[in-house]
Amino acid sequence: DQQVKQNSPSLSVQEGRISILNCDYTNSMFDYFLWYKKYPAEGPTFLISISSIKDKNEDGRFTVFLNKSAKHLSLHIVPSQPGDSAVYFCVNGSSNTGKLIFGQGTTLQVKP
Amino acid sequence: DAGVIQSPRHEVTEMGQEVTLRCKPISGHNSLFWYRQTMMRGLELLIYFNNNVPIDDSGMPEDRFSAKMPNASFSTLKIQPSEPRDSAVYFCASSRDGYNEQFFGPGTRLTVL
Repeated sequence: DQQVKQNSPSLSVQEGRISILNCDYTNSMFDYFLWYKKYPAEGPTFLISISSIKDKNEDGRFTVFLNKSAKHLSLHIVPSQPGDSAVYFCVNGSSNTGKLIFGQGTTLQVKP
Repeated sequence: DAGVIQSPRHEVTEMGQEVTLRCKPISGHNSLFWYRQTMMRGLELLIYFNNNVPIDDSGMPEDRFSAKMPNASFSTLKIQPSEPRDSAVYFCASSRDGYNEQFFGPGTRLTVL
């Protein structure tokens, strides 16, 4: 039973346009949420996070939105750049346990 | 800072053999995590340590898997005996405490023939 669902396995976007990656979760016990990015042959790297008490967090071109009532998380990248092409993981975290639960990932391709 | 170091980067072995994966966390980090990534199950947590003590090993698949952390700078994940279904990429990650950003190593790609 997947607790973190990324229903789109892949996404293709033109350079300069907005990329929107979506994520749904089922467990309300998570109190913080993260996005990790992964390039081939490398480990995942932290991108951005948001606490459950907020609904938006912005860091440069990256913005994460949290809709707790819908149990939905999204990552916006604008403008998208070819270097953003990677696998993006939606991650749920619990400050009680310290555990992270990863979604299956969405492969983003940004075309020049 | 060298980041999280994992060895070997690639391992090919035959079914039934013992496999040992190694991890050196970032200096000063007191939490260490072992993950496995497969096509079917994605990235899943196997076990994590806090201050060298195993806190949660509920993700360890079965008794063939064991993990140790004898000191703050070294951990091993052992599979004995290995099976073809253990083929995956195994990641080690560390964090300053259990609730902050986790830093991942480059992973060990294990192939069991």
